[in-house]
Amino acid sequence: AQTVTQSQPEMSVQEAETVTLSCTYDTSESNYYLFWYKQPPSRQMILVIRQEAYKQQNATENRFSVNFQKAAKSFSLKISDSQLGDTAMYFCAFGSGAGSYQLTFGKGTKLSVIP
Amino acid sequence: EPEVTQTPSHQVTQMGQEVILRCVPISNHLYFYWYRQILGQKVEFLVSFYNNEISEKSEIFDDQFSVERPDGSNFTLKIRSTKLEDSAMYFCASTGLPNTEAFFGQGTRLTVV
Repeated sequence: AQTVTQSQPEMSVQEAETVTLSCTYDTSESNYYLFWYKQPPSRQMILVIRQEAYKQQNATENRFSVNFQKAAKSFSLKISDSQLGDTAMYFCAFGSGAGSYQLTFGKGTKLSVIP
Repeated sequence: EPEVTQTPSHQVTQMGQEVILRCVPISNHLYFYWYRQILGQKVEFLVSFYNNEISEKSEIFDDQFSVERPDGSNFTLKIRSTKLEDSAMYFCASTGLPNTEAFFGQGTRLTVV
């Protein structure tokens, strides 16, 4: 079974600064997918960024980028130019490429952007 | 932009009562999911559904739970006899293909009293 670990329960960052959220995972699969989801106070789950394990290039989406280290099983999220609207819970999630459709989530990191 | 819609947004029910949570997935999606999030905890997988049958289910998804796609648009989660520990946020999600972006609904907050 896969596990996803987010070791930072809470983080804070000054507006306009950069912050990195950590995520590690454990799997025996070689082909899989990784996601970061954002959950604002409204509690809706919003996809931030997605990475396929077979791709060496790190995914980027505007101010959001990942540092995917496959050998280390690490998948961190970097948020640049933090904005007040980035305040939310951030969940790292693992998706198997081996026929299992479920996502396995980490416990989340609560990010607060301070004005 | 297409979205997954869940109703109701909040449901309060008495212990032992049956509840049905409703979801309208994105229209051209084929895979449907229910997840649960107990307050302050992580999101947990309950069940996946494809081609009118359950693809996978977790240990949480016991005989008290069932899912159905009664027509071409709705996807429902039924809890037969609710327990206090069923109180949680329930999220419906759908994907066009497995492991592509899962679009989540806004969730139904279930409170069992």
